[in-house]
Amino acid sequence: DAGVTQSPTHLIKTRGQHVTLRCSPISGHKSVSWYQQVLGQGPQFIFQYYEKEERGRGNFPDRFSARQFPNYSSELNVNALLLGDSALYLCASSLDPGGGTEAFFGQGTRLTVV
Amino acid sequence: DAKTTQPNSMESNEEEPVHLPCNHSTISGTDYIHWYRQLPSQGPEYVIHGLTSNVNNRMASLAIAEDRKSSTLILHRATLRDAAVYYCILRATGNQFYFGTGTSLTVIP
Repeated sequence: DAGVTQSPTHLIKTRGQHVTLRCSPISGHKSVSWYQQVLGQGPQFIFQYYEKEERGRGNFPDRFSARQFPNYSSELNVNALLLGDSALYLCASSLDPGGGTEAFFGQGTRLTVV
Repeated sequence: DAKTTQPNSMESNEEEPVHLPCNHSTISGTDYIHWYRQLPSQGPEYVIHGLTSNVNNRMASLAIAEDRKSSTLILHRATLRDAAVYYCILRATGNQFYFGTGTSLTVIP
């Protein structure tokens, strides 16, 4: 069975550019969440989508946006990149947003902003 | 957002049991206790979760205090592949996972 797939795996961008990260959840999973993990820290929540609707947003600037498509895949967009946006971006999928539902994480996209 | 407190690091000898503690004194009645672990350069991996009762699965056991203000993840026989950062997370329905800094487990051969 295919797990959560994220693309690309690595990316180098210049300050001020825009980036789009993609996530395909496990088949049948309708909830997708995005996390940012800076080196040495735990993942920080960015967005949660369920059934194509935004269900939660973390403390990130408006430069960060996301959407979920009818096939439940998702995109994370970041505009006007800053050096501080360099991080591992993780996507997690789950059947639903229930508290007792386990989430499955992808391997992440390593974004480097130079 | 309910918070958890974990030791920054722990060590264990290979093939010995490991008890990873977590304090969550502000837990609410609807919060589930989740444990995930993360190896370097990989995404977090689900380990176990529970609500009130102790839980066992093929990877580990979760012991939850009667007042639910603390829990312990138990790895019955540590192997070198268990070396990772372990996160204790509280999650209510509709809410996201709030990761702390976790416990870095070192397994000594």
